[in-house]
Amino acid sequence: DQQVKQNSPSLSVQEGRISILNCDYTNSMFDYFLWYKKYPAEGPTFLISISSIKDKNEDGRFTVFLNKSAKHLSLHIVPSQPGDSAVYFCAASGGYGGSQGNLIFGKGTKLSVKP
Amino acid sequence: SQTIHQWPATLVQPVGSPLSLECTVEGTSNPNLYWYRQAAGRGLQLLFYSIGIGQISSEVPQNLSASRPQDRQFILSSKKLLLSDSGFYLCAWSVWQGDSPLHFGNGTRLTVT
Repeated sequence: DQQVKQNSPSLSVQEGRISILNCDYTNSMFDYFLWYKKYPAEGPTFLISISSIKDKNEDGRFTVFLNKSAKHLSLHIVPSQPGDSAVYFCAASGGYGGSQGNLIFGKGTKLSVKP
Repeated sequence: SQTIHQWPATLVQPVGSPLSLECTVEGTSNPNLYWYRQAAGRGLQLLFYSIGIGQISSEVPQNLSASRPQDRQFILSSKKLLLSDSGFYLCAWSVWQGDSPLHFGNGTRLTVT
């Protein structure tokens, strides 16, 4: 049973517009959420995270929103750039040291930003 | 700054052959270390993690094993590879503290033929 779901395997957006990547989770014990970006033949790169005590975290063009009641988080990229084209993974953790690596990953969403 | 090195980048091995993938971290002490695998069409799956030298926890039963002979060295091994072992293997590290992200290496593409 998938605990972290990214229901859209792909997303295509025009350059300059907003990209919205969605993620749903089922485990109410998750309290730390992350987004990773992955280019082909490379390891994932950490992008942004959010703790369950917050509902929004912003870093430059990237904003993550968390809706705990809906068990839903989203990543907004504004404005989208061609270099943002990559696979984006959502991940969740139950927290506390030592088990931070026990991140549960979604299957990823491939974002294509067209010039 | 911290860096993570993983090698080789690609590997083609016949079924039944042994495997050894190595990962080292620089610029930090006593990191948590992890091995993940991404199989085709799937997300990232945690295989092993280690909180210290000689301390290995396995998340998924399989014919793979992991070892941590030194503080910043993590090795993934197999005595006999199966076709189903093909995938993209990623080493990662994190610090031992509250909410902190994982930092991944560039991965090893393993093809078992």
